[in-house]
Amino acid sequence: EIVMTQSPATLSVSPGERATLSCRASQSVSSNLAWYQQKPGQGPRLLIYGASTRATGIPARFSGSGSGTQFTFTISNLQSEDFAVYYCQQYNNWPPTFGPGAKVDV
Amino acid sequence: EVQLLESGGGLVQPGGSLRLSCVASGLPFNNYAMTWVRQAPGKGLEWVSTISGTADSTRYADSVKGRFTISRDNSQNTLDLQMSRLRAEDTAVYYCAKNFDHGGNTELDSWGQGTLVTVSS
Repeated sequence: EIVMTQSPATLSVSPGERATLSCRASQSVSSNLAWYQQKPGQGPRLLIYGASTRATGIPARFSGSGSGTQFTFTISNLQSEDFAVYYCQQYNNWPPTFGPGAKVDV
Repeated sequence: EVQLLESGGGLVQPGGSLRLSCVASGLPFNNYAMTWVRQAPGKGLEWVSTISGTADSTRYADSVKGRFTISRDNSQNTLDLQMSRLRAEDTAVYYCAKNFDHGGNTELDSWGQGTLVTVSS
């Protein structure tokens, strides 16, 4: 199975700043990569799919890039509601696999 | 707006069985594959199983293959997960999620709130 890794595990930022997270796949997943946000006690929410396409209703401050094995997720002008855990997921191969998550906190 | 509501979680002894359900609303249910994802306490997300829109294709994680069965009733807009021979390591919040299309391996664009399964004696 494809192993997904994320870095850093925790990112401390202040409101208004930019947060950049990385995701790496153990083999190419083309652009079949999604990013999710999860807050405590809630189910995940899809933010980005196809490596760079924002899901419906997702603000423009969230962006994604990359293809193959290296991906980047950026939150510009961080808002208080953006402090959460972020997961990448590949859906290029079965089984779909998630990264271990990256926590963005203040 | 798509809404997914899971139920059926609870405390079960090792070796026991449990059936989870997910009711979907706000979508043409049979047009979409559906997926179960679980999250052990304090841990990350783990894909469990996916069923195609017409239920003619199912996939399972190796960790649950032969013990769990996914099914759906498109007339009732429900998705089920029958879990048997449960182990302590199956303890997790189980999420029902909607796939982007009817086929299978896609992003998950709607999620429920989850239902907690605890396997313990």
